[in-house]
Amino acid sequence: EPEVTQTPSHQVTQMGQEVILRCVPISNHLYFYWYRQILGQKVEFLVSFYNNEISEKSEIFDDQFSVERPDGSNFTLKIRSTKLEDSAMYFCASSDIGGRSYNEQFFGPGTRLTVL
Amino acid sequence: AQSVAQPEDQVNVAEGNPLTVKCTYSVSGNPYLFWYVQYPNRGLQFLLKYITGDNLVKGSYGFEAEFNKSQTSFHLKKPSALVSDSALYFCAVRGEYNFNKFYFGSGTKLNVKP
Repeated sequence: EPEVTQTPSHQVTQMGQEVILRCVPISNHLYFYWYRQILGQKVEFLVSFYNNEISEKSEIFDDQFSVERPDGSNFTLKIRSTKLEDSAMYFCASSDIGGRSYNEQFFGPGTRLTVL
Repeated sequence: AQSVAQPEDQVNVAEGNPLTVKCTYSVSGNPYLFWYVQYPNRGLQFLLKYITGDNLVKGSYGFEAEFNKSQTSFHLKKPSALVSDSALYFCAVRGEYNFNKFYFGSGTKLNVKP
């Protein structure tokens, strides 16, 4: 069964450093998403991406964040200058027809980001 | 505003007993409701969804959920719990007018004891 994959599983970085979290969505999917979960808190939407552009972003997704689909398979989340409060589990998700509210999203296993 | 509430951080049940994991929601327009399960070190796995039609929705691994519009609830149920059902369960909602994002609950940890 096709799966969303994410690398690395755990990333440790120093405050102020740039990090890139990588995701490979399911191959025939067209809509891509990033979510994050701070330890003990809710899973929060960050951004959705379709047709090589952001379709929606939350207030969390400020200028420090960017997303990119650099080739036909990868979908990346970049945090330009990490802060302590960016420490969280980051989930990538994809769906084949995102423009319908009733379609489920398929999630990757997550990348745990620890900012020291 | 759209939101999901899972009032129980943890649910404990004995193997073989029925289980219920509660979820209530608030959304603009018709709700589209989902349950996901997360096992340790794994991503969120889709269990079931409600779009329209029958209020009782059946999903993977013997789980089902009941949509109740008047109570704005979508509780997850299983008639007979297994130890292997122990995991973290998330309820999520999308609104009719918002295609892109899920609103997730805070999660409920289900512990099934032998």
